[in-house]
Amino acid sequence: DTGVSQDPRHKITKRGQNVTFRCDPISEHNRLYWYRQTLGQGPEFLTYFQNEAQLEKSRLLSDRFSAERPKGSFSTLEIQRTEQGDSAMYLCASSQMDGTDTQYFGPGTRLTVL
Amino acid sequence: DQQVKQNSPSLSVQEGRISILNCDYTNSMFDYFLWYKKYPAEGPTFLISISSIKDKNEDGRFTVFLNKSAKHLSLHIVPSQPGDSAVYFCAARPNDYKLSFGAGTTVTVRA
Repeated sequence: DTGVSQDPRHKITKRGQNVTFRCDPISEHNRLYWYRQTLGQGPEFLTYFQNEAQLEKSRLLSDRFSAERPKGSFSTLEIQRTEQGDSAMYLCASSQMDGTDTQYFGPGTRLTVL
Repeated sequence: DQQVKQNSPSLSVQEGRISILNCDYTNSMFDYFLWYKKYPAEGPTFLISISSIKDKNEDGRFTVFLNKSAKHLSLHIVPSQPGDSAVYFCAARPNDYKLSFGAGTTVTVRA
């Protein structure tokens, strides 16, 4: 069990550019989540996949954001036309659909938009 | 609206003593509660959880207490160790998947 991994760990970009982040969940986990965390706050839910199906998107996820999980394994989160307000830590988590469904988090991708 | 609140942004405790972290929630539909620990530049690490059908869960030095009538839970760490210095997040969810987090409490364990 290698845990949840995310790539890249850090991303600096200029306003208006597109960025894409990748998340690899724990291998047997069928649920995958994206959260965003800003300074001084707890993580906020963005979206959720069960296998390859995206089942919910938060109102925080504007139309500039898109997430995919094409084969029910890894997931990508793309932000188009980045804005300075997108600067945050983007966290991925995964869980197994069992009695507790405990979510395990990756190390996060720190995005800085200049 | 903040459905999970951690009203103490920081806590300082001497090594060997007990750390008590508090968390309040407003959503009566929450039925599963978790505590996560976070070091700088890392993701949250799962610590301990409790279902709403219980009022206490213990795992080594960590104990979580749940008072449903007061919509309050707490995390006790005893004895506190220097490696416990981190940010602790309280999280809760209803009978689905979406976690709501508090803003976190920074714990500093003094030698």
